[in-house]
Amino acid sequence: EAQVTQNPRYLITVTGKKLTVTCSQNMNHEYMSWYRQDPGLGLRQIYYSMNVEVTDKGDVPEGYKVSRKEKRNFPLILESPSPNQTSLYFCASTPGHLTDTQYFGPGTRLTVL
Amino acid sequence: RKEVEQDPGPFNVPEGATVAFNCTYSNSASQSFFWYRQDCRKEPKLLMSVYSSGNEDGRFTAQLNRASQYISLLIRDSKLSDSATYLCVVNLNTGGFKTIFGAGTRLFVKA
Repeated sequence: EAQVTQNPRYLITVTGKKLTVTCSQNMNHEYMSWYRQDPGLGLRQIYYSMNVEVTDKGDVPEGYKVSRKEKRNFPLILESPSPNQTSLYFCASTPGHLTDTQYFGPGTRLTVL
Repeated sequence: RKEVEQDPGPFNVPEGATVAFNCTYSNSASQSFFWYRQDCRKEPKLLMSVYSSGNEDGRFTAQLNRASQYISLLIRDSKLSDSATYLCVVNLNTGGFKTIFGAGTRLFVKA
């Protein structure tokens, strides 16, 4: 089944404790993105990747890191999480053209205390 | 001003009603346009792409006016199952893959 998976789905952590949210897709898509969703603000793009070892900032990259060492995986790293990073996070992938659909993972609900 | 703006909603309509959603965008690099549907904090799913010529998929019709930087979605004969948040989405042609989402408009369809 074609899908985007994220882990963990739910996470409660404390300020400053490094964490990684994994994202994996099995559709051989070139492009992958990370978004956060906050009430009233909609989804905002954090980082995207156009291919292996090619990443770029979205609109809200501060406090986040990403890597793309393999085509299928695009982990999101919070080196020192803070309470303002409490949010719902979505990973997405797309074949590679601006006109293509994005396929989203099920989301990761992160709470930073 | 937000780059993609939608009606704040929510919309409360009876079954069978026709509902119109509006969206405006401001970035001149906007290249491609979509409506996504999101159920109760689940992942967004594509409802339909939006083309300059307008396009229809069953009860759903989408329109794009590039001159006015305006996108619309019309739902005819609303069903209870149409209750969701509708997201206006724009991909920017900036050499990368930047995507801007509107904040969404919540629709409640009632029996």
